[in-house]
Parts: sequence; C-alpha cells; structure tokens
Amino acid sequence: AQKVTQAQTEISVVEKEDVTLDCVYETRDTTYYLFWYKQPPSGELVFLIRRNSFDEQNEISGRYSWNFQKSTSSFNFTITASQVVDSAVYFCALTEFGNEKLTFGTGTRLTIIP
Amino acid sequence: DTAVSQTPKYLVTQMGNDKSIKCEQNLGHDTMYWYKQDSKKFLKIMFSYNNKELIINETVPNRFSPKSPDKAHLNLHINSLELGDSAVYFCASSFSLDRGANYGYTFGSGTRLTVV
Repeated sequence: AQKVTQAQTEISVVEKEDVTLDCVYETRDTTYYLFWYKQPPSGELVFLIRRNSFDEQNEISGRYSWNFQKSTSSFNFTITASQVVDSAVYFCALTEFGNEKLTFGTGTRLTIIP
Repeated sequence: DTAVSQTPKYLVTQMGNDKSIKCEQNLGHDTMYWYKQDSKKFLKIMFSYNNKELIINETVPNRFSPKSPDKAHLNLHINSLELGDSAVYFCASSFSLDRGANYGYTFGSGTRLTVV
C-alpha cells in the first residue's frame, strides 16, 4: 500500500527566508514516482516536479530545490528566498509502477509574511 | 488552449438534486481520473478510466457514476446529492503506464460543488 505523510500542517515564514517542506512516503514497490503540486489560493493544482525512484539526484529549479533520499523515504522541497507568491498549499504525492492511482499527502499550508 | 477543462467551475444545488460535471482533455492522454478534495484539503481518488474502461473505483457511493464516452472525456454524474458531497472535484488525465514511464498527471481547475 502506498502512503504519503506531510507532518507539517502549516508553516509561516517571513519573506526572503528559506523554508523546507517535508514529505515521507511508504511503498513496497521498487519502482515508483514522486510528485509535488502547488495549490495557490485560486484553487488549481500546479505541477512542480516528478521524480522516479531510480533517480536520486537532487534537482534545482530557480528558487526551488528537491532532496530525494531513498534511505529515509523522504522527498523534501525547499524554497529559497521565499516570496509572497509562494503562499499556497503544497502537496507531495506518490504512485507505484503499474498502479494508476496517485496518492496525496495531506498538504502543507505555507504562508509567506511580507 | 486549456489542457484539461472542467465545467462548471462552480455548482450550487439543493439536496436531493442530480447534477453532472463535465471534463475534457486535449492532451491525447488515454487515462482520466476524478479526485475529490474535501474541506480539509484532503485529495482522494474516486475513479479512473483508461480508454473508456473503468480501472479504478474507490469506495465511492453508487450515487456517483462516471461516464466516459471517449478517451478525451470523463463526466461525473451525481444522483440524490447530499450535504456531504460538498467538495471540490478535480478531473485529471495522464498516459497509461503501459506506455512506459509515468509522465505525470495534468489536473483541471476544479469544480466547487456546494450542496445546500
């Protein structure tokens, strides 16, 4: 069974601070895919990143970076120099190979204080 | 050009009514999904269709009936609406896994259903 845990329900930081959102996952498969989605106040789900289980390289995209560690089953997301526009609910999600179902964590509400 | 479009965006209706939400994708994907997001923001899959065939049916009341006339469309019909059905419903699409790697999911903008 696949499971995603986002232990941080809400985080508030002052603008320009760095912030890390934690994601821990459970799966019995050796092949799986991890995702992060952003849900801004307008409500849509915005795709941020996909990572497969065989690619443990960390990724950086502008102010965003992701740290994938299979040893701890974690896929954490860091925003550097946060901005007010980063305020949103962020979801980590997992799907196992051969399983079409995308399982979401409960989300972390991030508030950036100007 | 909207990749996954849902209509309507907002739906307010009385208990007991029957309503439908429509979803269309123009990405050439062969798998479509309905997800429900409750008031606590929890997102859970309801149904998945691959090439018009139902492949995932989570424990959803049978008042909810998905219909896929072709692989680009997946509609959700809800009978005898209840207060607890109030939520945001998201449609999504992807390529099926038998095409190889999972290339990810594209979500529609959601339909906010309010039952009064």
